[in-house]
Amino acid sequence: DIQMTQSPSTLSASVGDRVTITCRASQSISNWLAWYQQKPGEAPKLLIYEASSLDSGVPSRFSGSGSGTDFTLTISSLQPDDSATYYCQQYTGFLLTFGGGTKVEI
Amino acid sequence: EVQLVQSGAEVKKPGESLKISCKTSGYNFATYWIGWVRQKPGKGLEWMGIIYPDDSETRYSPSFQGQVTISVDKSTNAAYLQWSSLKASDTAIYYCARPALPGADWYFGLWGRGTPVIVSS
Repeated sequence: DIQMTQSPSTLSASVGDRVTITCRASQSISNWLAWYQQKPGEAPKLLIYEASSLDSGVPSRFSGSGSGTDFTLTISSLQPDDSATYYCQQYTGFLLTFGGGTKVEI
Repeated sequence: EVQLVQSGAEVKKPGESLKISCKTSGYNFATYWIGWVRQKPGKGLEWMGIIYPDDSETRYSPSFQGQVTISVDKSTNAAYLQWSSLKASDTAIYYCARPALPGADWYFGLWGRGTPVIVSS
């Protein structure tokens, strides 16, 4: 199985800060990586797919980058509504795995 | 409107069986894979498995193979997740989720609201 390791597990930042979350795969996954945002009591919401493609309706302050084994999700200017847990997910092959999550506190 | 509507919360005893549903609408059910994701209380997301409704081809995570059964009913455009004998460790919220596009790029653009399952004696 491909393991996905996210860091940090929790981060605290202020409104307007630039925030970066890292996701590392245990083997190369090319660019087959998605990022999700989950708020308490809600289902996850897709933010980014193919490592860097923004899903429809997602604010442009969110961006993704990386390929191979190392990926990042960046929030360019943190907003109060961005308080949530963020998950990466690899989708290469027939076995999917999620990262452990990063809780963003504002 | 494209949507996934999941069945309501369940409270069961260990050893009981359970089948939860995910009713879909607004798209061609047969041509999109549909998957299930577990989230234990206060924990992260775990992919359980995925099924292609057109031919019922199913892929399971090794962690869930033999523990659950994923199925579909094409006549009602619904997907199901079932257990034959629940354990307390099955207590979780279960989400159904559909990939954003037909085909095998399994990132999930559409999610149900989740079915809470509590297993307690």
